[in-house]
Amino acid sequence: EAEVAQSPRYKITEKSQAVAFWCDPISGHATLYWYRQILGQGLELLVQFQDESVVDDSQLPKDRFSAERLKGVDSTLKIQPAELGDSAMYLCASTHLSGQESYEQYFGPGTRLTVT
Amino acid sequence: LAKTTQPISMDSYEGQEVNITCSHNNIATNDYITWYQQFPSQGPRFIIQGYKTKVTNEVASLFIPADRKSSTLSLPRVSLSDTAVYYCLVGGRIYGQNFVFGPGTRLSVLP
Repeated sequence: EAEVAQSPRYKITEKSQAVAFWCDPISGHATLYWYRQILGQGLELLVQFQDESVVDDSQLPKDRFSAERLKGVDSTLKIQPAELGDSAMYLCASTHLSGQESYEQYFGPGTRLTVT
Repeated sequence: LAKTTQPISMDSYEGQEVNITCSHNNIATNDYITWYQQFPSQGPRFIIQGYKTKVTNEVASLFIPADRKSSTLSLPRVSLSDTAVYYCLVGGRIYGQNFVFGPGTRLSVLP
């Protein structure tokens, strides 16, 4: 069964350092999402891509976060500089085009970030 | 996007049927109702989706009344492994539309 891949699974970084996360969605999935989940809380959508275009980044802290999906396939989320409050699980999800199909989002295993 | 309201937490015992209700008073005509399950340190997993009346799969049932302003996820005969957070989402099958995950319902199944 196809899966969303994410790396690294765990990352420890010091405050003010740069960190990057990678996501490879299920082949053929045009829509890609990056979520942040602080321990014990719900999911916060950071950015949504449709192919290589950003559809929604209204919740992305643009002074320190950036995201790209250059060829409309895999994606990278970067934080620079990292802050203590960025410690969280970063989840990537993908889904195929809508229409009469199920709108199920497929999630990757996530990257657990700890900022010290 | 339709806002949803769910109980923050629920407790149940093994073997019982669990019903989690979600309110979505401003659901739109083309909105579908989707439920996800999330275990600790994992991404959410799709459980079930419906538009009206009743939908059943091998994992759960989803009951949607005629006015569609609420929905109920039913988990038959829960086990300890059903302990998780359950999210209710409402949205249409529109190209590029995103869905909003609320805080979800934390279900604890006790032995």
